[in-house]
Amino acid sequence: EADIYQTPRYLVIGTGKKITLECSQTMGHDKMYWYQQDPGMELHLIHYSYGVNSTEKGDLSSESTVSRIRTEHFPLTLESARPSHTSQYLCASSEHLPYTEGELFFGEGSRLTVL
Amino acid sequence: AQTVTQSQPEMSVQEAETVTLSCTYDTSENNYYLFWYKQPPSRQMILVIRQEAYKQQNATENRFSVNFQKAAKSFSLKISDSQLGDTAMYFCAFINQGAQKLVFGQGTRLTINP
Repeated sequence: EADIYQTPRYLVIGTGKKITLECSQTMGHDKMYWYQQDPGMELHLIHYSYGVNSTEKGDLSSESTVSRIRTEHFPLTLESARPSHTSQYLCASSEHLPYTEGELFFGEGSRLTVL
Repeated sequence: AQTVTQSQPEMSVQEAETVTLSCTYDTSENNYYLFWYKQPPSRQMILVIRQEAYKQQNATENRFSVNFQKAAKSFSLKISDSQLGDTAMYFCAFINQGAQKLVFGQGTRLTINP
């Protein structure tokens, strides 16, 4: 199994709360990603990072923010959660080497429900 | 725009049968990489198989093999002797060489019945 961890696995919170989804990897990967996925549906890239202090928005607009202060850590924050944020959030990482392009290692996901 | 299309939202076969999942993609580049990822229920997404576009030989990993047709931009996954543990969502994906992001298809939900 891949060495990438997400917490919490499940979270149920009320509207307006601030939440942070944690993602950590022990593989020393430079690249990290956050995907949003509704159950049984396609993945949408919402944030990515190519290294410390590097963050970019993905293809799907998201009200969440991310930070990359340390290589191994890539947390995602929602300042004020809404029911429309209910979804599964998948964190992934990869090496920055040509022959490993596209090989992502995924965490188990954080399933967020906003009431 | 680069796209990946999986035309089969759901598939179901009996255990031990062979099943083929379809995937087509669109890119104007010549050098790229193709992937099939597996997402079992409530478990981590994992890489199943990878194909480099410059290689003519189809990739194989145990019971999993691909049929890569570069001219047709087709990349299907064949699962032989299917097992109950193969039940999962399967995502086709590709990335152009030197590109920043992987492009995923919509996924195919595969159920293996006992």
